[in-house]
Amino acid sequence: NAGVTQTPKFQVLKTGQSMTLQCAQDMNHEYMSWYRQDPGMGLRLIHYSVGAGITDQGEVPNGYNVSRSTTEDFPLRLLSAAPSQTSVYFCASSFDRRAGSPLHFGNGTRLTVT
Amino acid sequence: GIQVEQSPPDLILQEGANSTLRCNFSDSVNNLQWFHQNPWGQLINLFYIPSGTKQNGRLSATTVATERYSLLYISSSQTTDSGVYFCAVPHMRGTSGSRLTFGEGTQLTVNP
Repeated sequence: NAGVTQTPKFQVLKTGQSMTLQCAQDMNHEYMSWYRQDPGMGLRLIHYSVGAGITDQGEVPNGYNVSRSTTEDFPLRLLSAAPSQTSVYFCASSFDRRAGSPLHFGNGTRLTVT
Repeated sequence: GIQVEQSPPDLILQEGANSTLRCNFSDSVNNLQWFHQNPWGQLINLFYIPSGTKQNGRLSATTVATERYSLLYISSSQTTDSGVYFCAVPHMRGTSGSRLTFGEGTQLTVNP
């Protein structure tokens, strides 16, 4: 049982490049989400999904796309990277979105856009 | 959405001391969670505590939902307790789901 797995751990992009951050969970969790964390700030929600085939925007969705084709995977796509997207990205999941259940985080991806 | 405020923003302790971290929120909630982010950046779920009191070793948490606050107690602190402590509540009143809004955290430093 690996929990929430994020890849890569580190990434450097040039402005305008695109890439996908991978997130997978093996706990059969219904709910998955992506947060970004910037220095001195808390975590801000980018996108979330309440089940396969269902996604929605969070607080800071611009410049990012997501899809949820399976229960296990929830990739985050940066369409055209900008320096403002330099951040640490966390994927999280929980079992039951309706009742509320503990949120489990991956170890993060540190992204630098030059 | 529901606003979350944590206090104090920074806390420095000597090893062995006790501490209390506070989380205030602006509306009724039925889901509150505490997290610890260690110096390596990992986020660990400490408590899922919509109401009442829970204990896990040297850590305990109490949520008084009617008064819109939660407290995290750390007793006999150790250097490994250092890091940032976040509380999080549902984004909107009446939702118990896992879309959470996070406070800005309390940075705890425990010195040997």
